[in-house]
Amino acid sequence: AQSVTQLGSHVSVSEGALVLLRCNYSSSVPPYLFWYVQYPNQGLQLLLKYTTGATLVKGINGFEAEFKKSETAFHLTKPSAHMSDAAEYFCAVTTYTGFQKLVFGTGTRLLVSP
Amino acid sequence: GAVVSQHPSRVICKSGTSVKIECRSLDFQATTMFWYRQFPKQSLMLMATSNEGSKATYEQGVEKDKFLINHASLTLSTLTVTSAHPEDSSFYICSARRDRDTEAFFGQGTRLTVV
Repeated sequence: AQSVTQLGSHVSVSEGALVLLRCNYSSSVPPYLFWYVQYPNQGLQLLLKYTTGATLVKGINGFEAEFKKSETAFHLTKPSAHMSDAAEYFCAVTTYTGFQKLVFGTGTRLLVSP
Repeated sequence: GAVVSQHPSRVICKSGTSVKIECRSLDFQATTMFWYRQFPKQSLMLMATSNEGSKATYEQGVEKDKFLINHASLTLSTLTVTSAHPEDSSFYICSARRDRDTEAFFGQGTRLTVV
């Protein structure tokens, strides 16, 4: 079975600072990995995903993540935080194609201060 | 991206009653819809997968008689929580995809409170 660990339920950064949200996964077979963002009272929006191929994945809103198999990690980064990045971020893993049976982490709330 | 809408966004019901939550794909036909549940400060847990025109597939530990899922059309799936109890209070989220090779889009969720 797969699992996801997101270290830190809350991460606080200043506007313009580097954003780093950590995600470690557990999977016995090659995983598909995802990052989602959730704004208040809205559904989850896909930021980026890793399936196969290039390990550095670029997503929307300037976010990117790198699949590091040796570390079982898929951390989310953004060079410069913007106030609008304040939201809840979820990492997810599956071994199925087609966005099936996603296993989510507990989420990390990103707080951005001016 | 495509739009998935859930209704209602919030509902309060009395213990013992049933409540229906709708999940609609507004601008695409969804062959598959997924239902998740999220407890406070916990991750989303997949409850079931429903394919249009067939019975839903429930995850282990999810009571199919308590959480009735219907996917009668390509744009609508419903989750009915039967004989709701306070422990059923949670945040329920659906997602929908057009086909196996496309992204699954999420609704905004429904917060159910059973009193």
